Amino acid sequence: RKEVEQDPGPFNVPEGATVAFNCTYSNSASQSFFWYRQDCRKEPKLLMSVYSSGNEDGRFTAQLNRASQYISLLIRDSKLSDSATYLCVVKIAGNMLTFGGGTRLMVKP
Amino acid sequence: DAGITQSPRYKITETGRQVTLMCHQTWSHSYMFWYRQDLGHGLRLIYYSAAADITDKGEVPDGYVVSRSKTENFPLTLESATRSQTSVYFCASSESGWDTEAFFGQGTRLTVV
Repeated sequence: RKEVEQDPGPFNVPEGATVAFNCTYSNSASQSFFWYRQDCRKEPKLLMSVYSSGNEDGRFTAQLNRASQYISLLIRDSKLSDSATYLCVVKIAGNMLTFGGGTRLMVKP
Repeated sequence: DAGITQSPRYKITETGRQVTLMCHQTWSHSYMFWYRQDLGHGLRLIYYSAAADITDKGEVPDGYVVSRSKTENFPLTLESATRSQTSVYFCASSESGWDTEAFFGQGTRLTVV
């Protein structure tokens, strides 16, 4: 079983839609959680950290449920520019990041 | 310019040859990492380094060697390249800390023929 699991998608949504991704992690000792975004053939870049209380950054909302060991990302009012792969990332020990396989989002006009 | 850079960006090599991928960062981050990204596997950690002269294995270290004599450089060497090492390789760096962001280089696309 992978340490961090995501639905690979693709999620095909129209502009303006709301879309949600979930991610589960297996190690209960996981300490930090992030969502990274990766555009095709480019390097991953931090989208947002995920805090226990939940956090929002503009159209993006991240939630953490430690009891169920899952993380979510909600994107409201989807834009064409949101089309990318979203990587769920967990920091378990030291500074090492463990990545999920990514969820691909395609926003259509 | 400040940042993290990888070289070369693209490399084609033959099976059995030694190949070194370079990674340089200008932030003086203590941690540096090498990941490989393959379809169906996502990003997997090869090696990481907590500081100069301190390196440790990640999830998939076999066939790779790293060194870190200076804080800013973290080269990755494939001692005898195999076709299974065809991949996109990403170097990353970060400050120490639970909530610190990792910054990635632009990647090296390696093809072993």
